[in-house]
Amino acid sequence: DVKVTQSSRYLVKRTGEKVFLECVQDMDHENMFWYRQDPGLGLRLIYFSYDVKMKEKGDIPEGYSVSREKKERFSLILESASTNQTSMYLCASSLLSGSTEHSPLHFGNGTRLTVT
Amino acid sequence: DQQVKQNSPSLSVQEGRISILNCDYTNSMFDYFLWYKKYPAEGPTFLISISSIKDKNEDGRFTVFLNKSAKHLSLHIVPSQPGDSAVYFCAASAQGGSEKLVFGKGTKLTVNP
Repeated sequence: DVKVTQSSRYLVKRTGEKVFLECVQDMDHENMFWYRQDPGLGLRLIYFSYDVKMKEKGDIPEGYSVSREKKERFSLILESASTNQTSMYLCASSLLSGSTEHSPLHFGNGTRLTVT
Repeated sequence: DQQVKQNSPSLSVQEGRISILNCDYTNSMFDYFLWYKKYPAEGPTFLISISSIKDKNEDGRFTVFLNKSAKHLSLHIVPSQPGDSAVYFCAASAQGGSEKLVFGKGTKLTVNP
């Protein structure tokens, strides 16, 4: 089974702090993703990466950056945390989709971040 | 603009009855549709999918129906069980890639014993 591990289940940070959320997957997947989930808003894509050192903006990249130095690890960085970044953050991975096959996302269990 | 809409935030059904969760989409380029299930304090898990070349896909108690002309899909759970209580997300992609999946806002299903 694919395992996507997020380093923290709960985090509490202060406004203005730099925050690192770490994610590791063990299935050699090319794609990795960061989503946030908020009540009434569903899942929104922040950034994704399809290869080491490659990244693409998702729908809500403002206030975030990412790092992918190794294939198995994808980090989300909040440069200066703000209260509106209080949310559930979900990391996911998938194989690179082929022309006829679709690779489902495999999610970690999430990190509940509270910014005070 | 919401491209994938789940208009019912919540649904409550009795154990043993059918649960029908609905999803509408606006982008005619979407050609692959998925349902994910999410329990509290866990990440979403993939449940079932359907390609636009089909109108039905079945996996045990779960069936997804796709009506392309109406841009509508539905997830049927028969019979519903209390363990099915979760939030269900509909998702869609164009050109079959997970790289740009678009998710709906989710429907919270409660199955009452």
